[in-house]
Amino acid sequence: GAGVSQSPRYKVAKRGQDVALRCDPISGHVSLFWYQQALGQGPEFLTYFQNEAQLDKSGLPSDRFFAERPEGSVSTLKIQRTQQEDSAVYLCASRLAGGRSYEQYFGPGTRLTVT
Amino acid sequence: GNSVTQMEGPVTLSEEAFLTINCTYTATGYPSLFWYVQYPGEGLQLLLKATKADDKGSNKGFEATYRKETTSFHLEKGSVQVSDSAVYFCALSDPNDYKLSFGAGTTVTVRA
Repeated sequence: GAGVSQSPRYKVAKRGQDVALRCDPISGHVSLFWYQQALGQGPEFLTYFQNEAQLDKSGLPSDRFFAERPEGSVSTLKIQRTQQEDSAVYLCASRLAGGRSYEQYFGPGTRLTVT
Repeated sequence: GNSVTQMEGPVTLSEEAFLTINCTYTATGYPSLFWYVQYPGEGLQLLLKATKADDKGSNKGFEATYRKETTSFHLEKGSVQVSDSAVYFCALSDPNDYKLSFGAGTTVTVRA
């Protein structure tokens, strides 16, 4: 079956530009997560949705970062006025439901390069 | 807060060698523990998991045992293949939380 998909796979932005990164989770998955992975590091949590509700945005690094999931399926991560330190791979993951036994399934990521 | 520390790489092995990647954790609760793998050009995939103390997760010849007394979850494989070349991430999920906390990753290269 279809996994988590993300688009675009690669994005180059000039400093100061706004970008929008899209995530299509696995159909029927209630939970959706965004992570940021800097080069040579493990992913770091950004934000979490349960259906359309954003329950945790504690990992968003600044108010330039904004995420939404208006209909409880597709999610968009928006970064305004991009800075060089925003260069990273942005990973989306979805999970069927809550509970410790449910696996998070990751998409291939969007590699953002800010020049 | 929660954190994961794993063995630094890179690790280079010959085919059929024994692989161990050390992972220790700090958590406020009683976490679930995971190993994720990232093959070249691919996304993160769950390799194995354990949800309580003394559980052993296993998959594709890899094993890891949840050791509460040493707060560890070391990954092992008895005989690696070239196809095991990848980046391996140890991670935890606190039961009162839902997000994953990852280690920095260990790059493993297996040579024929």
